[in-house]
Amino acid sequence: QQQVKQSPQSLIVQKGGISIINCAYENTAFDYFPWYQQFPGKGPALLIAIRPDVSEKKEGRFTISFNKSAKQFSLHIMDSQPGDSATYFCAASIDSGAGSYQLTFGKGTKLSVIP
Amino acid sequence: DAGVIQSPRHEVTEMGQEVTLRCKPISGHNSLFWYRQTMMRGLELLIYFNNNVPIDDSGMPEDRFSAKMPNASFSTLKIQPSEPRDSAVYFCASRGTVSVADTQYFGPGTRLTVL
Repeated sequence: QQQVKQSPQSLIVQKGGISIINCAYENTAFDYFPWYQQFPGKGPALLIAIRPDVSEKKEGRFTISFNKSAKQFSLHIMDSQPGDSATYFCAASIDSGAGSYQLTFGKGTKLSVIP
Repeated sequence: DAGVIQSPRHEVTEMGQEVTLRCKPISGHNSLFWYRQTMMRGLELLIYFNNNVPIDDSGMPEDRFSAKMPNASFSTLKIQPSEPRDSAVYFCASRGTVSVADTQYFGPGTRLTVL
């Protein structure tokens, strides 16, 4: 019930194209869904996050789409650039406010944006 | 800001040896996490601390692994004895509050190779 399934494992997109990464979860109690971005040789860094009370959140070229009934959420990168080449992790958790739950990460998607 | 500091950045050791990984969290942060990253298993949470107290160590793979946080500015992850299957990148992360919705800041990681 704590799993977050992420797909695809790897993705190659042409410069200027749209990159789409999908995640699915089982635990309906999850109410916080962040995406982390990791460049080679670096630690992951928070990219964008969403809560289930909204269906979409956009920050620049990055958009999270959330489908509560399907228990799925996805990251869309518009106008993908070579500098977006990185590994992307989705995650989910229950935000109890008491620190008793922690993030469950997907296995990651390695994105390569080619010129 | 110096960010989360980890040392060493790379460690090569022989099977059976003791390995100690070190982490200095961001000053003032209340939560600290140790993760392990491998190609097969992705990003796994090993243990986390709130206000220097270990909260959940269920991710620690075996008794060979131990973690301490003697004060708010320092933590160690020890593996004794080390085995080749422990080879991975180990990340430390810290968070300003105990809320899961607060951002986790990852260090650069320690790449451990056990021969």
